[in-house]
Amino acid sequence: LAKTTQPISMDSYEGQEVNITCSHNNIATNDYITWYQQFPSQGPRFIIQGYKTKVTNEVASLFIPADRKSSTLSLPRVSLSDTAVYYCLVGRRNNNDMRFGAGTRLTVKP
Amino acid sequence: NAGVTQTPKFRVLKTGQSMTLLCAQDMNHEYMYWYRQDPGMGLRLIHYSVGEGTTAKGEVPDGYNVSRLKKQNFLLGLESAAPSQTSVYFCASSRGGDTQYFGPGTRLTVL
Repeated sequence: LAKTTQPISMDSYEGQEVNITCSHNNIATNDYITWYQQFPSQGPRFIIQGYKTKVTNEVASLFIPADRKSSTLSLPRVSLSDTAVYYCLVGRRNNNDMRFGAGTRLTVKP
Repeated sequence: NAGVTQTPKFRVLKTGQSMTLLCAQDMNHEYMYWYRQDPGMGLRLIHYSVGEGTTAKGEVPDGYNVSRLKKQNFLLGLESAAPSQTSVYFCASSRGGDTQYFGPGTRLTVL
């Protein structure tokens, strides 16, 4: 299983773009990169998944360089409600042994 | 659709007691999972199931048992609870091992 490294915490202000980078140096050829969001007292919620280059949905964008050894989750124009813990996971698309690290605790300030 | 529901929401046990946590999903998902989350940490997989009647061990299976007698339900049992099992337990389900949908969690305290 690929090990991931993320910053423990980040602060931002409302309206700013937030970029959270995840390092995964030993990513395997068949591995995908998936991000989840977790609010206090709730279960994680899927945000976005990608394999290479760029993926965008209504919530976020995921940037993956050619070597795939890192990825960046981009949240455009964050609001207070985006304060949460963000987890980066790397594994096969149908991998049942998902390893959540400690995640990145994002705090959005007014 | 209710999605993934968990019963109970809170529970306090004494050391050595047993209990069962119930997870139910109404999305007709094949895969179901049980995780635990300790303060300041990410989730760790306890057991999972890829279909009715099948179960498999995850990262931290010791002290827990599971059963998947019906497709929509996944039970997590603690035969003899220990203080180290004080945690928040999350259940999740997925269609084919891809995106997981999580329940609201069960907060368990073992005294």
